[in-house]
Amino acid sequence: QSALTQPASVSGSPGQSITISCTGTSSDVGSYNLVSWYQHYPGKAPKFMIYEVTKRPSGVSDRFSGSKSGNTASLTISGLQAEDEADYYCCSYAGSNTWVFGGGTKLTVL
Amino acid sequence: QLQLQESGPGLVKPSETLSLTCTVSGGSISSSSYHWVWIRQPPGKGLEWIGYIHYTGNTYYNPSLKSRVTISVDTSKNQFSLKLTSVTAADTAVYYCARYATPTAVFDYWGQGALVTVSS
Repeated sequence: QSALTQPASVSGSPGQSITISCTGTSSDVGSYNLVSWYQHYPGKAPKFMIYEVTKRPSGVSDRFSGSKSGNTASLTISGLQAEDEADYYCCSYAGSNTWVFGGGTKLTVL
Repeated sequence: QLQLQESGPGLVKPSETLSLTCTVSGGSISSSSYHWVWIRQPPGKGLEWIGYIHYTGNTYYNPSLKSRVTISVDTSKNQFSLKLTSVTAADTAVYYCARYATPTAVFDYWGQGALVTVSS
């Protein structure tokens, strides 16, 4: 069970769109539509932004969206805002009641 | 509003056992719809799922940690706990407790995290 692969960092200017990729294998991301995304400000509790690949919980801005193709899931943030600057983690079900996270991506809003 | 709070020693010696407790308030731990989770984040690294427990006592662990981990639940105190044996410096991390919601397959509530340092 290896960590999912995310880019270490991404950046964008206010108003732009960015996409964070999350690459797994056919044993996790590729097999299950159980990918979630978490926003994490250092020193704070992580907050889930997307679940079941594409679903957005109430209270989360519709600027956040999720998708998946094959073994890679993606989080897209449109209309970037300064408050979006945080670390983002993907997570996937890996079978047999186990879960695997990505290494995290630091989003910088320029 | 559900709240989770980790507690336990912030410093553990190598080869000893790390013990943490998570106290759940604002809701019952005895719900069939949820599992209670431990997740950690070593300094400068990503999140790692350690394992989770259902209030009935069913437990599931990360295969890479399974030989050293025990998660237990105390429904009378609305708490669940983590024990990690034979710790090394590699176990130094911020440890989070969280709730896993079965209907949505997501970790929907998290504690603030507790830093545990393994050092002599």
